[in-house]
Amino acid sequence: VRLVESGGGLVKPGGSLRLSCAASGFTYNYYTMNWVRQAPGKGLQWLSSITGNSNYIYYADSVKGRISISRDNAEKSLHLQMDGLGAGDTAVYYCTRSLLGTTEAAFDIWGQGAMVTVSS
Amino acid sequence: SYVVTQPPSVSVAPGKTASIPCVGDNIEFYRVHWYQQRPGQAPVLVISFGYDRPPGIPARISGSKSANTATLTISRVEAGDEADYYCQVWDPTSDQWVFGGGTKVTVL
Repeated sequence: VRLVESGGGLVKPGGSLRLSCAASGFTYNYYTMNWVRQAPGKGLQWLSSITGNSNYIYYADSVKGRISISRDNAEKSLHLQMDGLGAGDTAVYYCTRSLLGTTEAAFDIWGQGAMVTVSS
Repeated sequence: SYVVTQPPSVSVAPGKTASIPCVGDNIEFYRVHWYQQRPGQAPVLVISFGYDRPPGIPARISGSKSANTATLTISRVEAGDEADYYCQVWDPTSDQWVFGGGTKVTVL
């Protein structure tokens, strides 16, 4: 069971970025997937969740309107589109799986994280 | 939205017990999960649904809930338990996940 994020890097303020997460080792379409970020030296911040069939999508109030989550079950991939990036978006972004596939279940699998730095 | 509060740090001697509180209104009625994050690593789930240990998590780590406090307890603390610990709660009113600010456990 593995999650591997990609797409991180250096972005100018006001720019956009699309993160991806490749899943393997489990029946991907059964599970709710999530994005969590962690600013340098700070705690964990949940960003968004999407159910297995994409019927339900949830966003944190703090980023709603600037981000969009999506998934491709055929490709076993998860994506996070982020727009209007600012310095406060500098963080490690983690892709996670929800245990049991239900929305309120714990995040039992985490990727290694993708670093996003917003700087001019 | 729902708020959960953790102390920034807890110190404990080797072999003793560390208790990490996560305080929130009526938290006993919420789904509470706990994560351990060692320096430079991704978080690891250590307790789900307040009490359940995933495979591979030692029995020294346990969870409990009372009216307004969920607690992660680490018994017979070892040097390897030194890490940041986060509680997490699903708020069904706002349909959002909430993380506590994290507690750094230092083994003296």
